[in-house]
Amino acid sequence: GIQVEQSPPDLILQEGANSTLRCNFSDSVNNLQWFHQNPWGQLINLFYIPSGTKQNGRLSATTVATERYSLLYISSSQTTDSGVYFCAVNRDDKIIFGKGTRLHILP
Amino acid sequence: GAGVSQTPSNKVTEKGKYVELRCDPISGHTALYWYRQSLGQGPEFLIYFQGTGAADDSGLPNDRFFAVRPEGSVSTLKIQRTERGDSAVYLCASSSGPGNEQYFGPGTRLTVT
Repeated sequence: GIQVEQSPPDLILQEGANSTLRCNFSDSVNNLQWFHQNPWGQLINLFYIPSGTKQNGRLSATTVATERYSLLYISSSQTTDSGVYFCAVNRDDKIIFGKGTRLHILP
Repeated sequence: GAGVSQTPSNKVTEKGKYVELRCDPISGHTALYWYRQSLGQGPEFLIYFQGTGAADDSGLPNDRFFAVRPEGSVSTLKIQRTERGDSAVYLCASSSGPGNEQYFGPGTRLTVT
């Protein structure tokens, strides 16, 4: 089946820093979502982005479907950005998640 | 409007018991999904409903797991003869249609002792 690889697995940054999280997938997909899982376990939708670039405040995402990758950019990070970021691809109507990037922002 | 809700939020049961986990999707969403998340892992697909029927149940680990959605809205995930390995967070998601953006509930944390 399709493989979803996220990197880096862990990231520790100082507040105010910028970061780029990467998601590679092994086959064509119907769409792609980025989620933030907060410390209480809730999955929060960040982007629904099968292709192209989207921005929402300090966050933006780019998916290049033909090259099978997506990037999530976080600028001027805040401690509330801490948590696990998941990339998930939709193939045949079910979502396949990567293992996530655990982000820890230090005050 | 209200998001996806799941009950109970926590469930502790003894090995061998039967449990039911409930999911209320976003009103009007026709597609409903169940996932299971173990510690340190991403959620794993279990089953997907389109309307009342299970369109894809390929992720159910064995025949102890079963899910229903009799009226095309609320869904119940049923686990028989629970085992300690079933301990995980069970997540439900819904979307307005197949392939559309999925929205997740807060999950039910199941602990089998």
